[in-house]
This record gives sequence, structure tokens and C-alpha cells, in this order.
Amino acid sequence: EAQVTQNPRYLITVTGKKLTVTCSQNMNHEYMSWYRQDPGLGLRQIYYSMNVEVTDKGDVPEGYKVSRKEKRNFPLILESPSPNQTSLYFCASSLSLGGGQPQHFGDGTRLSIL
Amino acid sequence: DAKTTQPPSMDCAEGRAANLPCNHSTISGNEYVYWYRQIHSQGPQYIIHGLKNNETNEMASLIITEDRKSSTLILPHATLRDTAVYYCIVRPWNSGNTPLVFGKGTRLSVIA
Repeated sequence: EAQVTQNPRYLITVTGKKLTVTCSQNMNHEYMSWYRQDPGLGLRQIYYSMNVEVTDKGDVPEGYKVSRKEKRNFPLILESPSPNQTSLYFCASSLSLGGGQPQHFGDGTRLSIL
Repeated sequence: DAKTTQPPSMDCAEGRAANLPCNHSTISGNEYVYWYRQIHSQGPQYIIHGLKNNETNEMASLIITEDRKSSTLILPHATLRDTAVYYCIVRPWNSGNTPLVFGKGTRLSVIA
């Protein structure tokens, strides 16, 4: 089944303890992206990747890192998490950015930073 | 991205067709109409998209008016599991990394 898989689905942790949220897609998609969703603010893009070893900042990149060493994986790294990063996170992928390709989303990761 | 206007909420009886309208009067010639939905706190789910012709897939049908200024998403036989917020998004086909902008959408409640 074609899908975007995120892990973990839920995580409660403490300020400053490094964490990684994994994202994997099995559709051979070139484009991957991370969003966060907060009440009243909608979805905001954190980072995106056009292909392997090509990443760039979205609208709210502060406090986050990403890497794209393989086409299928796009982990989101919080080196020193803070309470303002408590949010619902979504990973998305699409075949490419052009040609009207739709984006497919994972089921989300709910992070709570205490 | 062109702006879209959707009603904030709609109800639909289970088993009936749900018709969700979207107004996009400032749409440009190279912009697609996309529909996504989000069931409470789950990831947004792609439903369908189209440029100017009507489209149908296993989930829904998309009817775009001839002038392309509005569209309607049709769920032919709504079930309780179709209760969600539905988002209509207009976006150029060559949009590059323009992030998807989800507006407020239409909250569809399917009632037994």
C-alpha cells in the first residue's frame, strides 16, 4: 500500500532532550516536506526537500533540522526541543512539484515538550 | 495562490450525496483546483484535483464550472466516516515549493 509513515505517533518529552521524528514513503517520491499544525494557525511548512541531499527551509525552520540521505526517508530532528515546539507534525510527499502532483500526508506525530 | 471561499459547515444525511461548493473567482489559467480533507487530527488526505474538465475517482467527483470560477466536490454516498473538514485549494501546476495553504475549509457532518 502506498503510504507515508511517521514515527512515533505520540511523544511526550522534556526540554532539551534531542529527538528525531522519522518519515518514510514507499512511492519513490522526489519531494518531501514537514509541516506543523497549531490551533488557529493552520499548517505551516518547516522544511522541504526536492530530492536526495537537497533540502531547504520552509516558513518556520527555527529549532529544527532535516536530512535527506535516501529518497524514501526524511527525518525531522529537534536538537534541543522547547515547549513552543509542542505541536502536531505532518510529513508529506509528492512525485514532484510540477505537473499538478498532489501531496500525500502521513498520519501525524503529536509532540508534547514539557 | 488564488483565494477560495467555502461555507464553514454543512450537514448531510448518511447515504445521500454530499455537494461541497468552492468559489475561486480569481483563479488563473495555469491553476489546478485541489480538494483535501482532514478527519480530526489525522493527516490531510488528498481527494481529487482538476484543471478544467470534470474529474471522477474512487472517492469523489469534481465538477468545475466552464468559467472555472467555482467548483463542487461530490461525495456520491456519504458515510459517517466522511465527517471531516474539507479544503478546496487552488494552486499553479508549476508552483515550485509553494506550500499548500489550507484555509478554514468546510466542516462536513454526516448524520445517521
